[in-house]
This record gives sequence, C-alpha cells and structure tokens, in this order.
Amino acid sequence: EVQLVESGGGLVQPGGSLRLSCAASGLTFSTYWMTWVRQAPGKRLEWVANIREDGSDKYYVDSVKGRFTISRDNAKNSLYLQMNSLRVEDTAVYYCARHSSGWYFGYWGQGTLVTVSS
Amino acid sequence: QTVVTQEPSFSVSPGGTVTLTCGLSSGSVSTSNYPSWYQQTPGQAPRTLIYSTNTRSSGVPDRFSGSILGNKAALTITGAQADDESDYYCVLYVGSGIQVFGGGTKLTVL
Repeated sequence: EVQLVESGGGLVQPGGSLRLSCAASGLTFSTYWMTWVRQAPGKRLEWVANIREDGSDKYYVDSVKGRFTISRDNAKNSLYLQMNSLRVEDTAVYYCARHSSGWYFGYWGQGTLVTVSS
Repeated sequence: QTVVTQEPSFSVSPGGTVTLTCGLSSGSVSTSNYPSWYQQTPGQAPRTLIYSTNTRSSGVPDRFSGSILGNKAALTITGAQADDESDYYCVLYVGSGIQVFGGGTKLTVL
C-alpha cells in the first residue's frame, strides 16, 4: 500500500523559513516524479512544484520561484520542500503527491499545515 | 500565467446527471493536456477520480466518466448520489513540467 506522510509544518513568521518532508513507502520511490500541492484555507488546490525521478529537473509555480526549492533523497524515500522568505499568502495545507504516467497525481498524503503569521 | 476555468458551483438532483467542465484561458483543452479530475470533501485530501481524459482511477464507480466536450474537458456524474456532494477539481498539463488546477466546482446534491 502506498503511503505518503508529510511533516514539518507549523507556525512561522513572515520572512522565515520552513522545510517540509514527505516520507514515502509502498512504492519504488526513485521511479516516480513527485509533487507538492497546497491549499490555502477555504481556497482552491494549487500546484506548487514537480521534481523528476532523479531530481534532475524541477518545476515551480511562478509565485514560489526563487523562494521554494523542491528536492528528494531517493535513498531515504523522501521528498522535501524548502520554503524561504515565507509570506502570509503561503499559509496553506501542503500535500505531497506521487505522480503517475499521464501527468496526474495517483496518490496523496494527508497534508501538513503551514501558517505564516506574526 | 495560464488560467484553468471551472464552474464555481453546480447543483444536481439525486439520481440526476451533471457535467462539470474544465477550460483553458489560452485555447482549447485536448488530450495532450492530460486532463485529470479530483474529488475533495472538507478537511480531507483529494481523491483521484479520472486521469488521461477518461480513465477511471482504481475503485472509482462507473457513474463518473471523463471526456472532451467541444473545447473543454468534462466530468460527468450519472445517477448522482448524496455522497457525491463535494468539491471537484480538474488539473491540466500545460507543458514544460507545469500543471495547473482549476478553481474547483462545488457540487450540491439536492
């Protein structure tokens, strides 16, 4: 059974940093693209970033470019999201998701809440 | 940046049929956008319903179907049930490794 478990969320002040992790199990992690998706309170889902199987290519939504970095450690079956220069508008539940062939999200974690507030 | 459009809300009677659509600000949606659809209830992670335009994800009832209708992707629910009352999101691949969610449709069954 595929499991994705996010961690690392919490309360941070504007301008601060946070690193999210996603621990994957039940899958051959190194063979899948991975994704971060977020959802601000009461708002729509928003795609944040994709990373290729080997980490060689990374893609971001414009609003986080230069501030967020997606990465992975295939030896540890883990996905990460380093978030710097956080803004109030980055407040959201962050979900990690496993890509499947055909550009869709086949499995989802339960999410971790990031709150950016002074 | 590319905008993906969905109806903000829709209502359907129990047992009825409803079609939700997913459009692209820059033109027509095609199979090359790999439309996928997700169902989300409050406080829960999304559930994958449809991918690659019209393929149902494992365990999804066959009352859910996907298609291209005109210049948009579409999700049709046939024989709507009370527990289909949820938010529905489409996602389109727009190239260069980038994907975009629609604004979501809040479906009411009453």
